[in-house]
Amino acid sequence: QSALTQPASVSGSPGQSITVSCTGTSSDIGRYNFVSWYQQHPGRVPKLMIYDVTHRPSGVSNRFSGSKSGNTASLTISGLQAEDEADYYCSSYTSSSTLVFGGGTKLTVL
Amino acid sequence: EVQLVESGGGLVKPGGSLRLSCAASGFSFSTYSMNWVRQAPGKGLEWVSSISGPNIYIYYADSVKGRFTISRDNAQNSLYLQMNSLRAEDTAVYYCVTRGGWELLDWGQGTLVTVSS
Repeated sequence: QSALTQPASVSGSPGQSITVSCTGTSSDIGRYNFVSWYQQHPGRVPKLMIYDVTHRPSGVSNRFSGSKSGNTASLTISGLQAEDEADYYCSSYTSSSTLVFGGGTKLTVL
Repeated sequence: EVQLVESGGGLVKPGGSLRLSCAASGFSFSTYSMNWVRQAPGKGLEWVSSISGPNIYIYYADSVKGRFTISRDNAQNSLYLQMNSLRAEDTAVYYCVTRGGWELLDWGQGTLVTVSS
């Protein structure tokens, strides 16, 4: 159950687009379309932003989108806003019937 | 409104035990899979365990298998985590979380477990 691999940090200016990658294996991301993304602001609980690779829960801005290619999933945030500055975590279902998270990516809005 | 309130955290010595509880309200508890997710201070999220609505399917992370036991009481709308043989690396905030398919939906505020001598 090795953690998924995310970049430690990404940054962008307001209005720009950024992409956070999440790399797993053929036993998790590569096998199942059960990838989720969570946003966590400091001192707050995580919030679901994307599920099943591409789906947005009700109430989540359409500036957030997800995709997958092979063993790598991606979260793209377009029209970057100051309020998007947070930590982002990916997760995936695995062939062991468990969940695995990525190490998290800190997004800085310059 | 979904409410998840964890309790039972605290300071415990290495090798000790602790039982966490989660009181759920505002949704049909028995129909949802429930999970425990932890976050060590300043670190990332780690999934700990999952239990299906009817108590049939139970899964654990390798890091806690054999030491932790998840359970639920659907009549009392409560989720539990029995933690034995605690180690320093189990120190974390433990969150009670509802699950849809394999996405984590609603999170409690968490309860802090500190394992230290």
